[in-house]
Amino acid sequence: GQNIDQPTEMTATEGAIVQINCTYQTSGFNGLFWYQQHAGEAPTFLSYNVLDGLEEKGRFSSFLSRSKGYSYLLLKELQMKDSASYLCAVRDSNYQLIWGAGTKLIIKP
Amino acid sequence: GAVVSQHPSWVICKSGTSVKIECRSLDFQATTMFWYRQFPKQSLMLMATSNEGSKATYEQGVEKDKFLINHASLTLSTLTVTSAHPEDSSFYICSASQTGISGANVLTFGAGSRLTVL
Repeated sequence: GQNIDQPTEMTATEGAIVQINCTYQTSGFNGLFWYQQHAGEAPTFLSYNVLDGLEEKGRFSSFLSRSKGYSYLLLKELQMKDSASYLCAVRDSNYQLIWGAGTKLIIKP
Repeated sequence: GAVVSQHPSWVICKSGTSVKIECRSLDFQATTMFWYRQFPKQSLMLMATSNEGSKATYEQGVEKDKFLINHASLTLSTLTVTSAHPEDSSFYICSASQTGISGANVLTFGAGSRLTVL
């Protein structure tokens, strides 16, 4: 079956750095997405990786290793507003999006 | 950027009534829209893929007669929860796909509709 694994919850301190991991087993691979979802709101797009390596976008970076079925989202200079759930999603060979359950990130002052 | 408008943002209804949720792409044409359901602290569950001018494609386990989807134009898709029951209470989110700068088909989500069935 297809599976996306990410930690259920993480806690970090304001101003610090946090890395949220995502591992996947899917039938084929056509890209990996990270979305941010604040409580009670819809997800918003953060990043897209289809080739191995690091994609940097401001305070957020996303890394992909296709051979390892692994990605991480790196958040730097954490702010209180970064408290949210972070969803990892993989597009499989049929171009279907497989969603992880999300990682709830709690930022403490 | 792409904007998807979803309405209503929340609705409370009595058991047995029907509720319609609208999803509009405001500044782009969406030949395909997706409807998701999300339970608290759980991931997004794809319910159906809405195709403009044709019948929606439902995921396994989703009752098409229960969740009626109409995609009559390139900017509007509707989801109607028929004869709603308390177990239908959930957060429903629509999304539309658009090609982003990176070349990927990025999903833009509506704000979601929280349905509570009494």
